[in-house]
Amino acid sequence: KNQVEQSPQSLIILEGKNCTLQCNYTVSPFSNLRWYKQDTGRGPVSLTIMTFSENTKSNGRYTATLDADTKQSSLHITASQLSDSASYICVVSGGYNKLIFGAGTRLAVHP
Amino acid sequence: NAGVTQTPKFRVLKTGQSMTLLCAQDMNHEYMYWYRQDPGMGLRLIHYSVGEGTTAKGEVPDGYNVSRLKKQNFLLGLESAAPSQTSVYFCASSFNDRSLDEQFFGPGTRLTVL
Repeated sequence: KNQVEQSPQSLIILEGKNCTLQCNYTVSPFSNLRWYKQDTGRGPVSLTIMTFSENTKSNGRYTATLDADTKQSSLHITASQLSDSASYICVVSGGYNKLIFGAGTRLAVHP
Repeated sequence: NAGVTQTPKFRVLKTGQSMTLLCAQDMNHEYMYWYRQDPGMGLRLIHYSVGEGTTAKGEVPDGYNVSRLKKQNFLLGLESAAPSQTSVYFCASSFNDRSLDEQFFGPGTRLTVL
């Protein structure tokens, strides 16, 4: 069964601290993996996309990693800011029109 | 560019009532999608369209209908609302198929069915 599991479900950190969000998937075949950020009351916005051959990709303070062998991805946030408070959604593509969404990790950054 | 817009933002219905959600995009995208988002679950695809005049069923199409009469608009209809359709609905669009191309999402419509 094609699944995308994210952990933790929720996370609270202090402003300035780092954190890592996890995404494990069983989607096959694998095409690509995206991380989306969803602010409260808004639609998701793409942060980064990882293809099979990519191990690491950065977008500002966000760094995504992909291990296609173990079918794991992580999103690392460096020097967190209050504006990082959001849900982060991992989405795996398994081919044409085949997208499996994770349930998301809800991150709260406190001052 | 406004991107993807949705109307209304909020709506409360009684069981059995009908309504239409409107999605509009100004990016000239061919592909458009309707999702629902429920607590603790990933986004689920309701219906989608690969071009003007075409629609297709997604994972959870029952109880919904759609139309794409104009390229920039994608309508989602509920003919007889049920409490199980209480959810947040998102419209999205992409230039190419969503498995290859970034989707741009609207701000969502929060629907409550009593």
